[in-house]
Amino acid sequence: AQTVTQSQPEMSVQEAETVTLSCTYDTSENNYYLFWYKQPPSRQMILVIRQEAYKQQNATENRFSVNFQKAAKSFSLKISDSQLGDTAMYFCAFMKVFGNEKLTFGTGTRLTIIP
Amino acid sequence: ETGVTQSPTHLIKTRGQQVTLRCSSQSGHNTVSWYQQALGQGPQFIFQYYREEENGRGNFPPRFSGLQFPNYSSELNVNALELDDSALYLCASSAWNAEGQEKLFFGSGTQLSVL
Repeated sequence: AQTVTQSQPEMSVQEAETVTLSCTYDTSENNYYLFWYKQPPSRQMILVIRQEAYKQQNATENRFSVNFQKAAKSFSLKISDSQLGDTAMYFCAFMKVFGNEKLTFGTGTRLTIIP
Repeated sequence: ETGVTQSPTHLIKTRGQQVTLRCSSQSGHNTVSWYQQALGQGPQFIFQYYREEENGRGNFPPRFSGLQFPNYSSELNVNALELDDSALYLCASSAWNAEGQEKLFFGSGTQLSVL
């Protein structure tokens, strides 16, 4: 079974600063996907970024980037030039390849961007 | 806008009752998954349906059941409600993008309170 751990329940940062959210996971699988999802007060899960484990290059999406360390089973999210709209819960998630879309989520980090 | 609609948005039931939650996804989304998100936790996988058949199940008892219909709608049924069933229930449908990646689209959830 897979587990995902987010050790930072809450974080806050000033607007325009950079913040890094941590995530570690445990699995015996070699092929899998990792995700960061954002859940604003509207409750809808929004995909922020996706990483395929077979890719060594870290994924980036505009102001969002990850630091994927496969051997260490670490997958952190960096948000650059943070904006007020980034305020939300952030969840790290794991999915096996051909895993019937079963996502295993961490417990989340509540991120607050301070004006 | 993900094209996934859940109803109702909020629901209050009493212990022992039965409840049906509904999800409507986009045309062509053949797979639908349901997740339970308890307060302060990450979502947990309940089950998945593919072309109207159950295609994977998490650690939930049989009183959690589902249906998927040819019109891309689906239902989550919970019998004999317990207090611990109080949670946000999320529906997610999937589609493949132009890059050959499978992408999940989440609804905004149904908040169920069991008294």
